[in-house]
Amino acid sequence: AQSVSQHNHHVILSEAASLELGCNYSYGGTVNLFWYVQYPGQHLQLLLKYFSGDPLVKGIKGFEAEFIKSKFSFNLRKPSVQWSDTAEYFCAVYTNAGKSTFGDGTTLTVKP
Amino acid sequence: DAGVIQSPRHEVTEMGQEVTLRCKPISGHNSLFWYRQTMMRGLELLIYFNNNVPIDDSGMPEDRFSAKMPNASFSTLKIQPSEPRDSAVYFCASSSFPLADYEQYFGPGTRLTVT
Repeated sequence: AQSVSQHNHHVILSEAASLELGCNYSYGGTVNLFWYVQYPGQHLQLLLKYFSGDPLVKGIKGFEAEFIKSKFSFNLRKPSVQWSDTAEYFCAVYTNAGKSTFGDGTTLTVKP
Repeated sequence: DAGVIQSPRHEVTEMGQEVTLRCKPISGHNSLFWYRQTMMRGLELLIYFNNNVPIDDSGMPEDRFSAKMPNASFSTLKIQPSEPRDSAVYFCASSSFPLADYEQYFGPGTRLTVT
């Protein structure tokens, strides 16, 4: 069965600090990888996604993620966070069989 | 497109009552997912459908939970009887499968409180 592990449950940063959120998955086949963001009181929205090709993918709001197949990882990064990035971030795996699995989420708090 | 529509947005009910949550996916999407989100358990996939057929319901917590998708534009998640531990936000999401890019579009959620 597939699984997704997000290592950091809660991250607290000051504005302008760099961000990296870890995500590892386990699945033996081909996967599609996503990062979703959930701002306080809102529903999940897509941040970025990886299907194939360049393992470094860029998303909205300056976020990017790198797929490292050998490490089964898809870490999310942003060079300089803003207060408005305060949210919960979910890594997700979607297999070709149609099943999605989400990580437990990482809550990011950015202090102004 | 109006996006994924869920109703009601909020539901407060007494323990033992039947609760029905509704979802209208984005037109043209053929996959539909029901999730439950709580502080304790995070985001859990309950069940998902492809072309109106339930594919995997292993996430449904108990027999009190049931989901149906009678047609491509409507799905329900029913809890009967409801219990206080069912209190959560229930999200519905839809996507195109196997075509397109698998991105799931989430609805606004239904916040269920069982007293």
